[in-house]
Amino acid sequence: DTGVSQNPRHKITKRGQNVTFRCDPISEHNRLYWYRQTLGQGPEFLTYFQNEAQLEKSRLLSDRFSAERPKGSFSTLEIQRTEQGDSAMYLCASSPRHGKLFFGSGTQLSVL
Amino acid sequence: GESVGLHLPTLSVQEGDNSIINCAYSNSASDYFIWYKQESGKGPQFIIDIRSNMDKRQGQRVTVLLNKTVKHLSLQIAATQPGDSAVYFCAENGSEKLVFGKGTKLTVNP
Repeated sequence: DTGVSQNPRHKITKRGQNVTFRCDPISEHNRLYWYRQTLGQGPEFLTYFQNEAQLEKSRLLSDRFSAERPKGSFSTLEIQRTEQGDSAMYLCASSPRHGKLFFGSGTQLSVL
Repeated sequence: GESVGLHLPTLSVQEGDNSIINCAYSNSASDYFIWYKQESGKGPQFIIDIRSNMDKRQGQRVTVLLNKTVKHLSLQIAATQPGDSAVYFCAENGSEKLVFGKGTKLTVNP
């Protein structure tokens, strides 16, 4: 399968702990996006990369959130000092250019 | 500002009927629109897209209609099947990223 891969699929953590998610995009795609989705809502944009450069960050992305794409391939999203309000599905998507996004299956985060 | 919304949060149809899911958008500068299907526990799956220079585009059993005058987008699914049951999102291309609406949950009754 050469689609977008996200790990882990599920993460349960205690409030205050740090978590890190990984996304492996489709290999020839130079754009990579992170979205967050809560129950009953559409995905909300967090940030995106073109190659290794992080080009835009949403105001939703507090200073506890950091995303990297060090070699322009896979990306990581880290949340420090997790809060219960961080509980959500974190979706990664990639795209060869501006336009259609291909999504992974997401990482479901539960903060207890 | 940018926003995308839907007229109905839920839609229930009988198997074999046609389904129409509607979406309103507010950013008149958007030039690209996409419909996604999302099943429980999965990421959004691309269905069909349309550019603003088109009014209609057809795929396999699906048709997207774009009315730029009233900023309205619709997804038509022909001969709806149980496997079509999911949440459907429209999204508009706003300044280098997709902006999603809240979604319509489609239930197909056998």
